[in-house]
Amino acid sequence: EPEVTQTPSHQVTQMGQEVILRCVPISNHLYFYWYRQILGQKVEFLVSFYNNEISEKSEIFDDQFSVERPDGSNFTLKIRSTKLEDSAMYFCASSEGGRGNQPQHFGDGTRLSIL
Amino acid sequence: KNQVEQSPQSLIILEGKNCTLQCNYTVSPFSNLRWYKQDTGRGPVSLTIMTFSENTKSNGRYTATLDADTKQSSLHITASQLSDSASYICVVSVHNAGNMLTFGGGTRLMVKP
Repeated sequence: EPEVTQTPSHQVTQMGQEVILRCVPISNHLYFYWYRQILGQKVEFLVSFYNNEISEKSEIFDDQFSVERPDGSNFTLKIRSTKLEDSAMYFCASSEGGRGNQPQHFGDGTRLSIL
Repeated sequence: KNQVEQSPQSLIILEGKNCTLQCNYTVSPFSNLRWYKQDTGRGPVSLTIMTFSENTKSNGRYTATLDADTKQSSLHITASQLSDSASYICVVSVHNAGNMLTFGGGTRLMVKP
């Protein structure tokens, strides 16, 4: 069964540095998402992306964050000037369509640790 | 504020037993409700998706119910197996913002032999 893959599985970065998290969505999917889960807390929506544009974003997704689909397969989340509170598990997801009842398929996440 | 609350926070049952997990939500306007299973160290995996017009949906030994009037949902697991040990997360979608999911905190289920 096709899977969403995320790299790296664990990223350790010094505070203030930029980090790029990478995702390869399922190949025929058109909608892409990023979520984060701070340790011990709920999963939180960050952003959805379709047709090379952000379609929805939460209040968490401020100017520190950006997303990009640099080629036909990768979907990236960039965090500029990382802060300690950015430490979390970041999940990428994709769906075939954008209707609200489409299942979203999640990757296994990148654990981001900010020192 | 849109919220999804789940109970219990954690649950231990013996292999072969049934269990029911609860979810209450205050999301409005409601679009659909999903249940996900999340194994430790893995991403969530979709179990069911229900719109407001659906009362029940099954996926193997998993049966979800939805009462859109009381804004409650349950996930019933039948004849539990050791592999059912995971977190079960209730997720609600807002109408016209269908890709923006609101997650509950999950119920951590442990199935013991």
